[in-house]
Amino acid sequence: QVQLQESGPRLVKPSQTLSLTCDVSGGSISSGSYYWTWIRQPAGKGLEWIGHIYTSGRTNYSPSLKSRVTISLDTSKNQFSLNLNSVTAADTAVYYCARGLIIPPAFDQWGQGTPVTVSS
Amino acid sequence: QSALTQPASVSGSPGQSITISCTGTSSDVGAFNYVSWYQQHPGKAPKLVIYGVTQRPSGVSDRFSGSKSGNTASLTISGLQAEDESDYFCNSYTSSSTYVFGTGTKVTVL
Repeated sequence: QVQLQESGPRLVKPSQTLSLTCDVSGGSISSGSYYWTWIRQPAGKGLEWIGHIYTSGRTNYSPSLKSRVTISLDTSKNQFSLNLNSVTAADTAVYYCARGLIIPPAFDQWGQGTPVTVSS
Repeated sequence: QSALTQPASVSGSPGQSITISCTGTSSDVGAFNYVSWYQQHPGKAPKLVIYGVTQRPSGVSDRFSGSKSGNTASLTISGLQAEDESDYFCNSYTSSSTYVFGTGTKVTVL
């Protein structure tokens, strides 16, 4: 059973870059056909898909965040990362990493989530 | 991309059946059979309960079932139990190769 665990700073200042890492255990991130995905959820609100990276390194991002987001893969560490730059208070949320099935699309394994607050 | 529309809340008594709707457009829900549903208890990560409109992951109770008609997908929970009290979110793949979630539904077991 694959397990995912997010890590990174819980407090980020406005205009700076939010950086999170997702450690994957119980399976290799470079084997199989999956989308390694980031999803976020502001407190008391719904889920928002941020984007994903395929095992080949190909990425796809939400149009609303595309200009600020980078997702990368580190197969040597069996982890993938999220960078979101120029953050504002609107980026305050719980950030989840997840494994995405391709056909049919779905997110079948999730990390526990990490809260990130954007504040000075 | 606008969020898919779900009712804010649905309630039912133990043993009853409830249905949660998820309305999108011809560019998402109506475009593919790629709707999934997630159960989220307070403070926890979402859990996949239905994918591919009707498929149930291993280990998920057969009391959960899904369907779709046109631009609206539905999740039905039969034999409602106290443990089903939770938030539920739908998700759809879109014609832009992105993903959109629903607004979420709070299920209350009376």
